[in-house]
Parts: sequence; C-alpha cells; structure tokens
Amino acid sequence: GAGVSQSPSNKVTEKGKDVELRCDPISGHTALYWYRQSLGQGLEFLIYFQGNSAPDKSGLPSDRFSAERTGGSVSTLTIQRTQQEDSAVYLCASSLWETQYFGPGTRLLVL
Amino acid sequence: RKEVEQDPGPFNVPEGATVAFNCTYSNSASQSFFWYRQDCRKEPKLLMSVYSSGNEDGRFTAQLNRASQYISLLIRDSKLSDSATYLCVVNGPNDYKLSFGAGTTVTVRA
Repeated sequence: GAGVSQSPSNKVTEKGKDVELRCDPISGHTALYWYRQSLGQGLEFLIYFQGNSAPDKSGLPSDRFSAERTGGSVSTLTIQRTQQEDSAVYLCASSLWETQYFGPGTRLLVL
Repeated sequence: RKEVEQDPGPFNVPEGATVAFNCTYSNSASQSFFWYRQDCRKEPKLLMSVYSSGNEDGRFTAQLNRASQYISLLIRDSKLSDSATYLCVVNGPNDYKLSFGAGTTVTVRA
C-alpha cells in the first residue's frame, strides 16, 4: 500500500519567508509525528498528533513553528519568518501502534 | 546526558565479515526498542524490533540487556548493501515518543 508521502521534496527559501510543509500519513494511521534532522545529526522530535489533537508540542523550537492536522489525516508544518538555522530535513512519520513509518522528508534550505 | 547514545563509527568491514555495535539508553522505564536503518539522504526504515529474549532476522541479531540498559545489533556475513547508518531507537518517557540515537555508520567494502 501507499506509504507516508511528503511535499515538497525540496524547498529553497529566503530568510524571513514563511514555508509550509505537508505530510500525508499512511491511511488509517492515527498517530503522526514531525521530526527534524540536521546534517549529520540524529532525529529531533518536534510534535506528535493523535487524531487531530497535538498532545505534545514540546519539541517545537520556537513560536515560529506550528503544525496542524485535519480530518485525522494530512498535516502541515508551518515555519514563519524562516532563519538559516531552520535549514534541515523535516521528516514526518505515522503509526497505528508503536512502529513509526517515515516519509521521504522535505529538505529545507534557507538562504 | 542524551537519552540514547551510540558509537558513531564508522565501522569499515570487508564483505562477509561480522560487525556488531551497541547503544545505551538512559530511561530505565523504556519498553520498546528498535533498530532503524537510514541510507544516505533517505528516510529511516525499520530494520527490526528488539525483544527481551533477543531476536534474529536473517543475518541480523538484536539483543537487549535491561540491567545494563543497552541494545546490540550484530550483522553476520556482511553485504555491500548493508552499508548504511543504523539508528538505535527507544521509547521515551511517554509511550508514543521515540528517542533516536545519532546513528552508527557501517561501510562494507568489496
């Protein structure tokens, strides 16, 4: 079946612009996660959704970062007023139970 | 202290060799353990879950030592295609939240 998909696959933006990243989880998966991975680093947890609710937003680095999920499915991660340190790969994962399945990620470069 | 720590390697081994590496975790209450594989510029993919009794999947063997809070992965008869970064993953304080190690890089040479 279809896996987790993310769009865009690559995004280049200028410092100060807003960006929106999209995640389509595996159909039927109730949990959705956003992570960030900087070059050569481990995965950094950003936010977790159960259905449309986000019980854990503790990993969002600043108030420039926000995320929402609608219909228990698609999620968008928005970064406002992007900074160069936001450059990273943003990975989305979904799960039904404990195993998380990852999308291919969005590579964000802030110039 | 990081929640999950791994030897970053790299482990450079010839084809056919056995390679093994560990990771340690800090949360003694963790219940779920996994090894994920990440190829260069790709997303992490589940390699195997790790069970208390230890488990094997083909050439891969995972062990869990709760007393010492470490997990190991052993790869037998290494193939070129095993070259990747192996991520140790442990569930954190909350069941849903996974903590990822920074990864151990394995390079298998011909």
